[in-house]
Amino acid sequence: NAGVIQTPRHKVTGKGQEATLWCEPISGHSAVFWYRQTIVQGLEFLTYFRNQAPIDDSGMPKERFSAQMPNQSHSTLKIQSTQPQDSAVYLCASSTGGAETLYFGSGTRLTVL
Amino acid sequence: SQLAEENPWALSVHEGESVTVNCSYKTSITALQWYRQKSGEGPAQLILIRSNEREKRNGRLRATLDTSSQSSSLSITATRCEDTAVYFCATGSSGSWQLIFGSGTQLTVMP
Repeated sequence: NAGVIQTPRHKVTGKGQEATLWCEPISGHSAVFWYRQTIVQGLEFLTYFRNQAPIDDSGMPKERFSAQMPNQSHSTLKIQSTQPQDSAVYLCASSTGGAETLYFGSGTRLTVL
Repeated sequence: SQLAEENPWALSVHEGESVTVNCSYKTSITALQWYRQKSGEGPAQLILIRSNEREKRNGRLRATLDTSSQSSSLSITATRCEDTAVYFCATGSSGSWQLIFGSGTQLTVMP
């Protein structure tokens, strides 16, 4: 079991460009979570999918951020028109269903210049 | 305001010593979780302790839970350099899918 796989590990974009982050959850897990981590804000919940359906996106910034889960083997987080304040480590986690035990990937470090 | 908060903000010990991280939370919970995050990695769960449990152990780790004071502690005995990490407590509001993390305690274990 390779665990949760996130790609790329590092991404550098220019201000205004688009960034797409990928997550492959653990096989058999039905829930996928996205978090953002910064020094100032810590770990912030962004969104949650269960059985590929979006359940809670209350943590997602209303503009420019979107997440999808087109199939059970991957989820994407897309940030349009990236801004320097979007610079963070974006973490994906999966679980067997709820929020009791989350298995995190190593994250994607996004740097917006 | 934070749903859960660890203290102290940072700790430094020598190998072999014991250490305790505390957590206070602000909501009714069904369970509280402790995670550890090493540099360059995502958080990894250490212990999940349910609201009807007072203590839970996992090897050198021991977690306690006091629902009356809404507090928890994580103790590590015989610390090792590889225990150096940020330790988080995490919980969620009843009925919510969100697992909310505290700001974390940076533990440094020196040789």
